Amino acid sequence: DAGVTQSPTHLIKTRGQHVTLRCSPISGHKSVSWYQQVLGQGPQFIFQYYEKEERGRGNFPDRFSARQFPNYSSELNVNALLLGDSALYLCASSLETFNSPLHFGNGTRLTVT
Amino acid sequence: GESVGLHLPTLSVQEGDNSIINCAYSNSASDYFIWYKQESGKGPQFIIDIRSNMDKRQGQRVTVLLNKTVKHLSLQIAATQPGDSAVYFCAENPYNQGGKLIFGQGTELSVKP
Repeated sequence: DAGVTQSPTHLIKTRGQHVTLRCSPISGHKSVSWYQQVLGQGPQFIFQYYEKEERGRGNFPDRFSARQFPNYSSELNVNALLLGDSALYLCASSLETFNSPLHFGNGTRLTVT
Repeated sequence: GESVGLHLPTLSVQEGDNSIINCAYSNSASDYFIWYKQESGKGPQFIIDIRSNMDKRQGQRVTVLLNKTVKHLSLQIAATQPGDSAVYFCAENPYNQGGKLIFGQGTELSVKP
């Protein structure tokens, strides 16, 4: 079975631009979460979606937004990119919204110059 | 604030020895804990989880111990192999924060042949 897939794998953007990252969950998983991982640190929670509704939001500015589609895939959008947005963006899916292991994709490496 | 911390940022062991990776958590509302392994260039890989109503859980070559009294979590890896070399993260899920996982900084495990 396919795991969580993310696209693109790498991306280079300029300050002020916007970016859209995509994620396909494991088949049968209805919950999708997004995390940001800065080099040398653990992942930081950005969003959780379940059945197309936002179920949680981390401490990130409004420049970050996301949505989930009827097929449970998801997009993460970041506007007005800053140098500090350079990071590995991880998508994870799970069967349930809580107390359920998250299964991560290999991430999108975003570099903002 | 909330945090999940690791006692040792790096751990070097000989192949065949047992490894113990420790983690301290601060959120008393956490009732679900997960250990992840992250290899270079990949997303975190689920290893094992444990709920707060348990104090020990075993998997294949791995054991997780939970001490709620002192808010401590540990991952034991038996007969450590070179393929176990990676960064290990513990993560907690506070029951009142949906599916949000709070990750620690990580411990880098290096296995010497």
